[in-house]
This record gives sequence, C-alpha cells and structure tokens, in this order.
Amino acid sequence: KAGVTQTPRYLIKTRGQQVTLSCSPISGHRSVSWYQQTPGQGLQFLFEYFSETQRNKGNFPGRFSGRQFSNSRSEMNVSTLELGDSALYLCASSPGTGPTDTQYFGPGTRLTVL
Amino acid sequence: GESVGLHLPTLSVQEGDNSIINCAYSNSASDYFIWYKQESGKGPQFIIDIRSNMDKRQGQRVTVLLNKTVKHLSLQIAATQPGDSAVYFCAENGPGYALNFGKGTSLLVTP
Repeated sequence: KAGVTQTPRYLIKTRGQQVTLSCSPISGHRSVSWYQQTPGQGLQFLFEYFSETQRNKGNFPGRFSGRQFSNSRSEMNVSTLELGDSALYLCASSPGTGPTDTQYFGPGTRLTVL
Repeated sequence: GESVGLHLPTLSVQEGDNSIINCAYSNSASDYFIWYKQESGKGPQFIIDIRSNMDKRQGQRVTVLLNKTVKHLSLQIAATQPGDSAVYFCAENGPGYALNFGKGTSLLVTP
C-alpha cells in the first residue's frame, strides 16, 4: 500500500505571497490532519478533516486554511505569508474511525519564506 | 497549560546497548500515547502506542512503559543499532483527533 504523499516537497516563497500544499492519504483513509514543525515550537496541530469536513482546528491564525476533497485528498493554504511561517508542513492520515487511530505521516513539505 | 514534554534533548548510546527515552505528560485525561521516530528529511514514523488501560506494551525490539501515577512514559529500545539514530517524539491524544507532541529527544548511536 502506498504511503502518504505530499507535494511539493520544497517551496520557496516571499513574504505576502500565498501557498497551497497538497496531501494524498493512504488508500482507504478518510481522515487527514496537518501539522507544522519548527525547531522552536516542535510539532503543532493545524487542523483535521474527515469526509470533506473540518472536525478539529488548532491554535493558528485564519491565514491557515484547508479543505478536503471527496477522494480524501487534502490541501492546505497559507495566505499573506510571514517569515515565521517557514517550517516543515506534515500531513498525516488515518482511517478516521476514532481518535486512537494510528496516524501515518507523509514526508512533509519544506516551506521557506524569504 | 498542559503539555507533553521530554526529559532529555539528546541521548548518546553505544551500539548494542539498550536505550531508554523518557517523556512526562501533564494531562491526566489523556488516554492514548504514541511514540514516533523521525529521521532526517523524513516525516515521523509510528513506532508503538499504548492506551491508558495498559502499563506496558512490547513490539519488535521496543517496549513502551506507562506510569499513570507519575504521568510518565518511556520508550525502551533493545540492542540499539545505528539505524535507530533519529529524533524520537512522544505524543498524547489531544482534543478530537489532534496529537500533542513533545519536543523530541535526539538519539545518537555510536559504534
């Protein structure tokens, strides 16, 4: 079974721009979660989607948004980029049947904001 | 606020020795704990998990111990190998489907 895939793997943007990241979950998984990883703050939960609905949201500003499609693929968008948005953005998928489902992570998208 | 934290930021062990990575949590309502391994340039890889109704769970070369009395979690790796060098994160289930991660411990295996 193929794992979680994320595209692109690397991105360089400038302040003020917006960016869209994509995540394809493991086949059959319906839940997709997004995390931001930085050296200072570690791994922080952004949001989780199931059946095209956001079920959970972390403590991030409204510039961070996401969506999920009917095939469970998900995208996240960051608008008006700031230098502090430079991070590794990780996507994780799970069956979505319960909060103790194992979450499997993709390789991440490394975003650099200049 | 409540958080998941790790006792040691780095751990150096010799190849063949056993490794123990510790983690403290403060949310007594947490009922699910997970250990992940992250190698350079990769996403976190699931190692093992444990539910709060257990105090020990074993996998292949790994054992997770949960002490709910002192809110402590540990990961034991037997016969540590160079391929075990990575950053290890403990995580607990947060609200809904969120995972709250600790800061991570870097494990370095020396020959």
